[in-house]
Amino acid sequence: QKEVEQDPGPLSVPEGAIVSLNCTYSNSAFQYFMWYRQYSRKGPELLMYTYSSGNKEDGRFTAQVDKSSKYISLFIRDSQPSDSATYLCAMSGSRVSARQLTFGSGTQLTVLP
Amino acid sequence: GAVVSQHPSRVICKSGTSVKIECRSLDFQATTMFWYRQFPKKSLMLMATSNEGSKATYEQGVEKDKFLINHASLTLSTLTVTSAHPEDSSFYICSARDSTGRDSGYTFGSGTRLTVV
Repeated sequence: QKEVEQDPGPLSVPEGAIVSLNCTYSNSAFQYFMWYRQYSRKGPELLMYTYSSGNKEDGRFTAQVDKSSKYISLFIRDSQPSDSATYLCAMSGSRVSARQLTFGSGTQLTVLP
Repeated sequence: GAVVSQHPSRVICKSGTSVKIECRSLDFQATTMFWYRQFPKKSLMLMATSNEGSKATYEQGVEKDKFLINHASLTLSTLTVTSAHPEDSSFYICSARDSTGRDSGYTFGSGTRLTVV
């Protein structure tokens, strides 16, 4: 079993839809949770960063962390074609060590105009 | 926000030659940078941790003599793929963390697509 599981998709939605992206994990030591967006042939771009359980909102994006269920989500409201990309979840037990940064395999999202 | 510049964005080289990839933190200092490899539709695989002024730390299974890492300054790390072979063709990405930033996520470079022919 992988430490971080993420549905690879692909996921296609119409413009304006609410998108829900999810990851589950098995390591209870994870405390820092991130979502990255990666456009084709580009490096990942940090979208959201949360610590421990709870919600965090930034514009059209909301990140949720449920540590009791070992489940994290990213919601995209009013999705736009420009949101079409691969979304990677990442998590870590340490604030400073990228060696402990574990990525999901990514979910490919297409928002259709 | 923090910016990491990576060059070249793509390179094609002949089998047996060496290729150098540069990773620069443009507006912050990074004592540590990280090198990843990504296969198509796969997640990022950490290859090594680049430490300014000291030897890099390689992950298990990564050949340090093949993937030479130099971190000579607080803003520059280089990855040299030596004696490249077609199986080295991949997408290489560096990242760094701005320890003074508001968020503690890692900033990634734009990646280098290496094709060995």
